[in-house]
Amino acid sequence: AQSVTQLGSHVSVSEGALVLLRCNYSSSVPPYLFWYVQYPNQGLQLLLKYTSAATLVKGINGFEAEFKKSETSFHLTKPSAHMSDAAEYFCAVSSNNAGNMLTFGGGTRLMVKP
Amino acid sequence: DGGITQSPKYLFRKEGQNVTLSCEQNLNHDAMYWYRQDPGQGLRLIYYSQIVNDFQKGDIAEGYSVSREKKESFPLTVTSAQKNPTAFYLCASSMQTGGVHNEQFFGPGTRLTVL
Repeated sequence: AQSVTQLGSHVSVSEGALVLLRCNYSSSVPPYLFWYVQYPNQGLQLLLKYTSAATLVKGINGFEAEFKKSETSFHLTKPSAHMSDAAEYFCAVSSNNAGNMLTFGGGTRLMVKP
Repeated sequence: DGGITQSPKYLFRKEGQNVTLSCEQNLNHDAMYWYRQDPGQGLRLIYYSQIVNDFQKGDIAEGYSVSREKKESFPLTVTSAQKNPTAFYLCASSMQTGGVHNEQFFGPGTRLTVL
């Protein structure tokens, strides 16, 4: 079975500070990993995805994530937070090749202080 | 513009009523999904469909039903058997390419409230 743990349901940073959102996964097979962002009362938008091509993945809006197999982690980072980054972020793992099934973490709400 | 539409955006239901949430996509995706989102619990899969006229239960299918008569449409019915239906419901779709992990694209969601 696949599972995802996001450490910290709420993260608060100052504008301009480093953003670090943590994601650890459990998988019995090589995983495919995704980060999605959700703004209030909206659907999810894909930020980036890891599909084994490269361990450092760059996404939209200046975000990137690094796949570390030894740590079973896929943490999301951004060097400098903007007010517009305030949202909820979800890490997800793909469960198998058929159906692109995803298992989601519980989400991390990012707050950005001026 | 290609995308996924969900309607209505807000829905209110009285106890004992069935309600149907609409999901339409024009992305030509084979697979479609329904998720339920509750605060602090992430997204949980209700049903999914990989091809027309076929669908499978997800993790929390009890009290819900779906149909997939057309590739573009995947409506979700919340029945009176669902005891706690107040939640945000998200529909998604993805390409279905063997051996490739395609991302899911999400609709804007429907917020259902039981009065």
